[in-house]
Amino acid sequence: EPEVTQTPSHQVTQMGQEVILRCVPISNHLYFYWYRQILGQKVEFLVSFYNNEISEKSEIFDDQFSVERPDGSNFTLKIRSTKLEDSAMYFCASSLQYQPQHFGDGTRLSIL
Amino acid sequence: QKEVEQDPGPLSVPEGAIVSLNCTYSNSAFQYFMWYRQYSRKGPELLMYTYSSGNKEDGRFTAQVDKSSKYISLFIRDSQPSDSATYLCAPAGGAGGTSYGKLTFGQGTILTVHP
Repeated sequence: EPEVTQTPSHQVTQMGQEVILRCVPISNHLYFYWYRQILGQKVEFLVSFYNNEISEKSEIFDDQFSVERPDGSNFTLKIRSTKLEDSAMYFCASSLQYQPQHFGDGTRLSIL
Repeated sequence: QKEVEQDPGPLSVPEGAIVSLNCTYSNSAFQYFMWYRQYSRKGPELLMYTYSSGNKEDGRFTAQVDKSSKYISLFIRDSQPSDSATYLCAPAGGAGGTSYGKLTFGQGTILTVHP
């Protein structure tokens, strides 16, 4: 069964450094999403992306965050200057039109 | 009031029991209702999804939506130890009518099914 793939599974970064989280969505999907889950808290929406544009973003998704689909298969989340509070699990999801989202297994981001 | 509320449990049941998991929500714009299962150190795995009010059955799982009372339920029949996981309800509003749009997750209910 097709699946969403995320790399790396665990990323450790110094505070203030830039980090790029990578996702390969399911190949024929058109809608792409990033969510995060801080330890012990609920999964929170960050951003949705369709047709090479951001469709919707949350208050969390401020100027330090950006997303990109650099080629036909990858979808990335960049955090420009990481803070301690960015430590979380980051999940990528993808979907077809009028279909529910399928999630990857996440990248655990640890900021030191 | 939180947009989506879900009792975090934990809920512990014996194997074979019927499990009832519930969520309430406040946003009447929600049209699509998903249930995800999340195992430890894994991403949310889609279990069931329904549109608007009504019931949907898939094997041992039944999802119910009552939009009039803004209440979502997931029933698991003949529960198995492999059902032990966190269950997340996730309604969506279908923003723009082109996709389900962003999901608003509940806190998740931790379920343990013991042999």
